[in-house]
Amino acid sequence: GAVVSQHPSWVICKSGTSVKIECRSLDFQATTMFWYRQFPKQSLMLMATSNEGSKATYEQGVEKDKFLINHASLTLSTLTVTSAHPEDSSFYICSAARGVGEQYFGPGTRLTVT
Amino acid sequence: TQLLEQSPQFLSIQEGENLTVYCNSSSVFSSLQWYRQEPGEGPVLLVTVVTGGEVKKLKRLTFQFGDARKDSSLHITAAQPGDTGLYLCAAFYGQNFVFGPGTRLSALP
Repeated sequence: GAVVSQHPSWVICKSGTSVKIECRSLDFQATTMFWYRQFPKQSLMLMATSNEGSKATYEQGVEKDKFLINHASLTLSTLTVTSAHPEDSSFYICSAARGVGEQYFGPGTRLTVT
Repeated sequence: TQLLEQSPQFLSIQEGENLTVYCNSSSVFSSLQWYRQEPGEGPVLLVTVVTGGEVKKLKRLTFQFGDARKDSSLHITAAQPGDTGLYLCAAFYGQNFVFGPGTRLSALP
């Protein structure tokens, strides 16, 4: 159990367009999901905490209008990168919390903005 | 300043060697987790340690949580090329889940 999926696994888009990434907990319900960004050879950086049915909580320095998060159900959270630019190119990883202290990660989505 | 520090940052060893990586903090945690991440994939949970002084074994991997619950270590016995990856420690700090910077391990055949 505790499987988290992400879709798409990789995406290439043109500068100025928007991209939506989905994160699903497949076999458990997750009240809280997290979105991370990871640059090459670096650790994960928390972008925002997504709570089902309420607004996401963004980390300092993360533009909430640029990275739109929706957590409409207990198994799905989406991250939309709006008006993407090349500097938004990165590896985006979501995780879903199951119980206290338990967190399971998706396989990640590699975004390349040309 | 990082809440969680990891050392060493990089480690390159030969197959069969033993190694230990460390995760340290000045804060006390109720639990701490270790993950391994391979390139292009999400982190995979290896273990959660909860009790101060706790030792957990996962095949050739031995995890220890410090008595004061501020630090942890991961020891790998007889490393294999398949152990290559980024090893991350992580813990809840308040309501946020915080990662250390990671130790990048290369186990060469």
